Amino acid sequence: DADVTQTPRNRITKTGKRIMLECSQTKGHDRMYWYRQDPGLGLRLIYYSFDVKDINKGEISDGYSVSRQAQAKFSLSLESAIPNQTALYFCATKGSGSQETQYFGPGTRLLVL
Amino acid sequence: AQSVTQLGSHVSVSEGALVLLRCNYSSSVPPYLFWYVQYPNQGLQLLLKYTTGATLVKGINGFEAEFKKSETSFHLTKPSAHMSDAAEYFCAVSFTGGGNKLTFGTGTQLKVEL
Repeated sequence: DADVTQTPRNRITKTGKRIMLECSQTKGHDRMYWYRQDPGLGLRLIYYSFDVKDINKGEISDGYSVSRQAQAKFSLSLESAIPNQTALYFCATKGSGSQETQYFGPGTRLLVL
Repeated sequence: AQSVTQLGSHVSVSEGALVLLRCNYSSSVPPYLFWYVQYPNQGLQLLLKYTTGATLVKGINGFEAEFKKSETSFHLTKPSAHMSDAAEYFCAVSFTGGGNKLTFGTGTQLKVEL
């Protein structure tokens, strides 16, 4: 079984709809991250969390919110989706040591019409 | 602030030829450096990383990279390309503190031709 899972893997929605992307991990990591990937732009950080009570904004948090329901679960919400939020979204997890690696989920491909 | 520049959004090599993917970074503190690979329709997989110690780092699938502080570079190489190496490659930087956030380059698409 995969260590980091994301649901759904693909989603089509309409402008103005609320949508939630979910991430679960079995690695026992404290730190979790949400990124979006756009062609030619690489990955950009949306939000990150050190633990259930510690949520931080990344470089492109506008239009997004997150919830850390448990150590193993970190959800990303688009309150009112817009077409320029069409992208590939990745969740990642990492242990608390500074030199540890971030492990990525398989991604969620989101299309906002 | 830290940043990463990957020169060449697309690189094409012949099978068996040397692979060289370039990465330069800027960081005001000692960096941690990473190379990730993304195969079509998949997530990112770590190829190798530099944190401390030996500046020549060996990774999976025959890849290696050398941290050169004087050149602020962390170029990725492989002596002989294989068709299965075709993928997108991302260089990333982080540093201790600051949440160990990764800052990614814009990626290099590697094409391997017969």
